[in-house]
Amino acid sequence: AQKVTQAQTEISVVEKEDVTLDCVYETRDTTYYLFWYKQPPSGELVFLIRRNSFDEQNEISGRYSWNFQKSTSSFNFTITASQVVDSAVYFCALSALSGTYKYIFGTGTRLKVLA
Amino acid sequence: SAVISQKPSRDICQRGTSLTIQCQVDSQVTMMFWYRQQPGQSLTLIATANQGSEATYESGFVIDKFPISRPNLTFSTLTVSNMSPEDSSIYLCSVRLAGSYNEQFFGPGTRLTVL
Repeated sequence: AQKVTQAQTEISVVEKEDVTLDCVYETRDTTYYLFWYKQPPSGELVFLIRRNSFDEQNEISGRYSWNFQKSTSSFNFTITASQVVDSAVYFCALSALSGTYKYIFGTGTRLKVLA
Repeated sequence: SAVISQKPSRDICQRGTSLTIQCQVDSQVTMMFWYRQQPGQSLTLIATANQGSEATYESGFVIDKFPISRPNLTFSTLTVSNMSPEDSSIYLCSVRLAGSYNEQFFGPGTRLTVL
């Protein structure tokens, strides 16, 4: 069975603080993909990153960074120096062959950045 | 990425009526999907829209309630039939683009309220 767990339902931080959103996944596949999406209040889902199971390099894009650790089945997302515009719901998703590469979404983490 | 448009962006409908949602993409697409996001919840896959043939529905979703068409590679419709207040949700189409690594890109969504 495949599963994605985002244990943090809601996080509140003050602007300029760093914040880490956790994502833990389960799959028996050796080939799989992990994703993060942002859903601002307007409702659209914005693609942030894809990581495949063979690439454990961490990635940094501006204030965003991602830490992929196969040993703990985690794909965590850190926002450095958070801003009010980062306020949104963030979803982690898993896609694997045994699931015909359909997305399994986590329940999402609502991030509130306070001015 | 691609430009994905959905019509209508929102609607308020009466119980027992039907609404057809359109999804149009401006790029080459390999797969199209329809999702439902109930208030405060994560995304649930309704079906995969197959070009020129019947859609592939997920458990809990049936063609009589959610008929889907995909007459060509870049266009699809989802109809929500015989609506009840429980159908109030955001409906999103997503696409997998030709040459992509499995990531999906989402349309802006259709916010449906059923009275």
